[in-house]
Amino acid sequence: DGGITQSPKYLFRKEGQNVTLSCEQNLNHDAMYWYRQDPGQGLRLIYYSQIVNDFQKGDIAEGYSVSREKKESFPLTVTSAQKNPTAFYLCASSTGTTTNTGELFFGEGSRLTVL
Amino acid sequence: AQSVTQLDSQVPVFEEAPVELRCNYSSSVSVYLFWYVQYPNQGLQLLLKYLSGSTLVKGINGFEAEFNKSQTSFHLRKPSVHISDTAEYFCAVRFAGTGGFKTIFGAGTRLFVKA
Repeated sequence: DGGITQSPKYLFRKEGQNVTLSCEQNLNHDAMYWYRQDPGQGLRLIYYSQIVNDFQKGDIAEGYSVSREKKESFPLTVTSAQKNPTAFYLCASSTGTTTNTGELFFGEGSRLTVL
Repeated sequence: AQSVTQLDSQVPVFEEAPVELRCNYSSSVSVYLFWYVQYPNQGLQLLLKYLSGSTLVKGINGFEAEFNKSQTSFHLRKPSVHISDTAEYFCAVRFAGTGGFKTIFGAGTRLFVKA
């Protein structure tokens, strides 16, 4: 079945360590997104990418990095520079074009806890 | 700048009662409007969307929403809720940003249906 796969589902990290969250989609979507979810704050956009080898900062990009070397994959690295990384991270994709009106399709999320 | 405000953080309601979840948005550009639902520890899924045309849109699970341009609102309604509707609901706007389309979300409304 087509969809978005995020891994790992749960991750624990010590302070000062970088960690990479995986996001893979087989929907043949052009656009991919990373969101961070904290209780009472909704979803906040970290990074997004419309095409391979191109990505844009969202509203809270500091302390995060991404790459888009393949259409299907959009990994997110949470670096040690991110001051409060404990959160639920959601990856999404859509049929992103200049005339896009499409919905977002979400993965199941990755819950990161910094010890 | 674009923003989304969900006016209620929590809405408790009895089973089979009607419910309205309120959403207001602010935007200087054209937007598309969406409602998503999130069940615990899962990603979001689309309930309904407004792109153009009729201001009353129907979605899955018996939900509907009405777009009001003059009041910049997109309230979600259901005439009779079920226990299974207990979840968090997010209003979202999608618009053309730098480098492609972006979607931003409200803080969410937690709907709690009581027996």
